[in-house]
Amino acid sequence: AQSVTQLGSHVSVSEGALVLLRCNYSSSVPPYLFWYVQYPNQGLQLLLKYTSAATLVKGINDFEAEFKKSETSFHLTKPSAHMSDAAEYFCAVSSQYSSASKIIFGSGTRLSIRP
Amino acid sequence: NAGVTQTPKFRVLKTGQSMTLLCAQDMNHEYMYWYRQDPGMGLRLIHYSVGEGTTAKGEVPDGYNVSRLKKQNFLLGLESAAPSQTSVYFCASSYSPGRADNEQFFGPGTRLTVL
Repeated sequence: AQSVTQLGSHVSVSEGALVLLRCNYSSSVPPYLFWYVQYPNQGLQLLLKYTSAATLVKGINDFEAEFKKSETSFHLTKPSAHMSDAAEYFCAVSSQYSSASKIIFGSGTRLSIRP
Repeated sequence: NAGVTQTPKFRVLKTGQSMTLLCAQDMNHEYMYWYRQDPGMGLRLIHYSVGEGTTAKGEVPDGYNVSRLKKQNFLLGLESAAPSQTSVYFCASSYSPGRADNEQFFGPGTRLTVL
């Protein structure tokens, strides 16, 4: 079975500060890991994904995430927050042994940016 | 391309009423999905389809039915709405052959309230 835990339902940072959103996964097989972003009143969009190539994955809008197998983590970071980054972020997990229907989403982290 | 579109955007039902949510995609994707999003619970898969004429149950299928008569459309039906079905419903699609690392493309959502 696979699962995802996002630590912190709400994170608030100042504009220009480092963004760190935490995601830990559980999987008995090598995972695929995703970060999706949901802007207000919109559907989810893919930010980045890890599929067993490079452990440091770069995504859109200067976001990146590092796969750490020893820590079962896939934390999302951005060096400098912009006001436009305010959104909800979802971590998700699947595996090469799963069908496309078996993507498990975390409960989400709402990111607020203080001026 | 419009991507994934959903109709309607908002709906209020009374307990026991029925309705159908329509999802359409113009990307020629084989796989389509219906999710519900509830506060603190992330996205949960209701039903999905791996191609025209096929449907399958997801994590929370009870009280819902679906149909995929045309490749580009995926309908979600509520036969007898209950207050527990108050939620935001998202449709998504992904590219064939439905690999688990494929990006899912989401519609803007339907906000449903059942009184």
